[in-house]
Amino acid sequence: QVTLRESGPALVKPTQTLTLTCTFSGFSLSTSGMCVSWVRQPPGKALEWLALIDWDDDKYYSTSLKTRLTISKDTSKNQVVLTMTNMDPVDTATYYCARITDSSGFRWFDPWGQGTLVTVSS
Amino acid sequence: QLVLTQSPSASASLGASVKLTCTLSSGHSSYAIAWHQQQPEKGPRYLMKLNSDGSHSKGDGIPDRFSGSSSGAERYLTISSLQSEDEADYYCQTWGTGLGVVFGGGTKLTVL
Repeated sequence: QVTLRESGPALVKPTQTLTLTCTFSGFSLSTSGMCVSWVRQPPGKALEWLALIDWDDDKYYSTSLKTRLTISKDTSKNQVVLTMTNMDPVDTATYYCARITDSSGFRWFDPWGQGTLVTVSS
Repeated sequence: QLVLTQSPSASASLGASVKLTCTLSSGHSSYAIAWHQQQPEKGPRYLMKLNSDGSHSKGDGIPDRFSGSSSGAERYLTISSLQSEDEADYYCQTWGTGLGVVFGGGTKLTVL
């Protein structure tokens, strides 16, 4: 059974750097075709993709946020870390991590973590 | 530019069927998509992967009431025998090499 769990601070101050950790089980990020991605959802709004890291350590970022994001993996710990710099109140959202499978060049999310709410406020 | 377009809302009666649409932008009509469901106050759940030829593969435990189909640049999610728990937001998602992940804006389904 594949599970993912997000962890990190519930509250950060403006201008601070957010660090989120996704801890997963049931698969290995060293296996070909496996990826982990981060997605966020501001209250009442749609899903927004942030970043993805794959088994080959290739990294992909949202064009609009790439200057603020860094994604990395620790295969031995089954963890993926996302950092987002210069946090602002508009970054208040629930942050999800999810496994992504790559098959025949297409990538899709399954399953998703439960999400963690991050509030940006002074 | 790879864009997925969804209607913001849809509604149908309990026990009826509804067909939700996700439209791929021009030049991307051959792309596969995935459908995800997000019930109120919950995280998203994967429903199915849907290819351009209409073939699809569903996630574990997804009822037979959920099915997918395709026509040109349009990808459909049909839910039959609507139940109250089907009231949710539905998102389509795709992947573009070099472009990354793209989500549609989501459709809020109301079961009357």
